[in-house]
Amino acid sequence: GAVVSQHPSWVICKSGTSVKIECRSLDFQATTMFWYRQFPKQSLMLMATSNEGSKATYEQGVEKDKFLINHASLTLSTLTVTSAHPEDSSFYICSARGVSDTQYFGPGTRLTVL
Amino acid sequence: QKEVEQDPGPLSVPEGAIVSLNCTYSNSAFQYFMWYRQYSRKGPELLMYTYSSGNKEDGRFTAQVDKSSKYISLFIRDSQPSDSATYLCAMSASPGNEKLTFGTGTRLTIIP
Repeated sequence: GAVVSQHPSWVICKSGTSVKIECRSLDFQATTMFWYRQFPKQSLMLMATSNEGSKATYEQGVEKDKFLINHASLTLSTLTVTSAHPEDSSFYICSARGVSDTQYFGPGTRLTVL
Repeated sequence: QKEVEQDPGPLSVPEGAIVSLNCTYSNSAFQYFMWYRQYSRKGPELLMYTYSSGNKEDGRFTAQVDKSSKYISLFIRDSQPSDSATYLCAMSASPGNEKLTFGTGTRLTIIP
């Protein structure tokens, strides 16, 4: 149980384009989903927290207009990186939390912006 | 100063050895402690979750928390090659884990 999936697992795009990443909780309802970013050899940094049906709460320094988060249902959250640039290249990981206090992580999406 | 400090390694030990992984923290508000295992290019997998000082055991894994010293450890007994991964400690001030603060991770290799 407690499986979280992400799609796509990797994506390469041109600078200036937008990329959407999906995060799904497959066997539980996720009232809260979290989006993290992980640079090589660095730890996970929380970008934003989203509750189903509400606007996401962004961490300090994260541009909400650049990283659009939608949590439209209890099993799906999306992160859209708008007008992506090479410095946005990173490993993006989502996690989902249901009725328990545990965050279950997805497998991550590797974004490369050329 | 980082809120959570973790030796990045890399750490290499022979199969069957006992592995000790550690994190220190500076924020006394942290009350909930987790250890995650992350294989290359994969998301973190929760190994241990604890919120009280002392030891918690699960199979070959033991999590130890010393709140007075702001120090946590993960011990792996009878280490196996499949334990080779990056181990991340994470902490939270709230039981709902609204915001996890992660260590940088320790890369562990078990040598057959």
